[in-house]
Amino acid sequence: DSGVTQTPKHLITATGQRVTLRCSPRSGDLSVYWYQQSLDQGLQFLIQYYNGEERAKGNILERFSAQQFPDLHSELNLSSLELGDSALYFCASSVGWRQPQHFGDGTRLSIL
Amino acid sequence: GIQVEQSPPDLILQEGANSTLRCNFSDSVNNLQWFHQNPWGQLINLFYIPSGTKQNGRLSATTVATERYSLLYISSSQTTDSGVYFCAVEGGGSNYKLTFGKGTLLTVNP
Repeated sequence: DSGVTQTPKHLITATGQRVTLRCSPRSGDLSVYWYQQSLDQGLQFLIQYYNGEERAKGNILERFSAQQFPDLHSELNLSSLELGDSALYFCASSVGWRQPQHFGDGTRLSIL
Repeated sequence: GIQVEQSPPDLILQEGANSTLRCNFSDSVNNLQWFHQNPWGQLINLFYIPSGTKQNGRLSATTVATERYSLLYISSSQTTDSGVYFCAVEGGGSNYKLTFGKGTLLTVNP
């Protein structure tokens, strides 16, 4: 158990819909990262937050947004969903930067 | 950005065999981690090893940062070792993201 909690584990929805993925980092970790794993793109970094502030952005679509709350949990919002958004979404956390990142079990998103 | 190449892409072993997985990266790194993704999709941390050598049971890893590569050794492999092994690196500067290789798919047959 990595100590990073992601909910829900599975999500099935339709094109055009909006979903919210939730992540609780390990106790004491201030950094939260979101990654997307798909068959064609592999594991790709989306966005990072540190202590409530956005620190780095990767290949995150404009339809996607995220935030980190004062209690350090984070949410990833995906809107206007398309079939290609079907993927495994991971959250990771670390104490700070240049530290080991610990991954949650992921949320498997299926768009029908 | 930093490039990460893993080899071999696929590996099939008989139980009890040893193996070496390689990760090459294109620039200096501040963070290098090895992960095992099991058949259920979980990403399990194996090693945090930006340099040096570490061992954990039947697994060990070595990173030679000056030559930009890392090796993961699996000895006396078991069927439960099957899955995908990923190398991920964090480059220098202010970019703290992990860049993943494409992974090595390991199949251990009984």
